[in-house]
Amino acid sequence: DTAVSQTPKYLVTQMGNDKSIKCEQNLGHDTMYWYKQDSKKFLKIMFSYNNKELIINETVPNRFSPKSPDKAHLNLHINSLELGDSAVYFCASSRVVNYGYTFGSGTRLTVV
Amino acid sequence: RKEVEQDPGPFNVPEGATVAFNCTYSNSASQSFFWYRQDCRKEPKLLMSVYSSGNEDGRFTAQLNRASQYISLLIRDSKLSDSATYLCVVMKNNDMRFGAGTRLTVKP
Repeated sequence: DTAVSQTPKYLVTQMGNDKSIKCEQNLGHDTMYWYKQDSKKFLKIMFSYNNKELIINETVPNRFSPKSPDKAHLNLHINSLELGDSAVYFCASSRVVNYGYTFGSGTRLTVV
Repeated sequence: RKEVEQDPGPFNVPEGATVAFNCTYSNSASQSFFWYRQDCRKEPKLLMSVYSSGNEDGRFTAQLNRASQYISLLIRDSKLSDSATYLCVVMKNNDMRFGAGTRLTVKP
C-alpha cells in the first residue's frame, strides 16, 4: 500500500496549458508539501500545508496554486505552463515537528 | 550563502572503501538534521537522522557539530548498492531544507 502517491507519474504538455498534479497520503500525517527538483537536482520547497492550512509559501509564481481538500490530499494546479516549469515535482508528508518526510515517487513534468 | 551546502562530488570509490561527506548549514536555530538518499530517477528516502551525540546505523555513521554548524556522514566498507546521491537535510519548525546532494559511485 503506497504511503504517498502522486499522479500522474509523467506529464508532457504544451506551453500555455493548465495542468494539475494530485497527491494523497495514507499515513495519517498532518503536514504535506510540494517540492520542485530542477535539472540540477536541487530540491526546493514550494508549499507546505498543515491540517489543510497553508504554512509555507516560498517565492513561487502565482501560476502555481496548491489546494488541500483534506489533510490527506494536497494537489498542485499550474496555470499557463512555461518551459522553465519542466522539472520533477515531489509531494511529501510528515508528522508535526521534527520527523523526516516521506516522499511520493515524483511527477516528471515536461513542457514543450 | 546557501542554507545547506554540500560538496557535490562526484565521489568515485572502489568497493570496500570508506568515504565521508560533509555538509554545513547557515541557520543556527535549526532543530533537526537528516541524511537522505536519492537514487537516479527516484524519490529521496530517509537514510538516518543525525543526533548531537553522533549515531551509527550499520556501516553508516552520522555526526553533528552544532557549534560549527557542520554535519557529516561516513560510509564504511562501501557496497555497489551505496551508489546514489546523498542529501543533507536541515529542519526548523517542520520546514526541511535540502542540500544539493553529493553523488557517490562505488565501483567494483
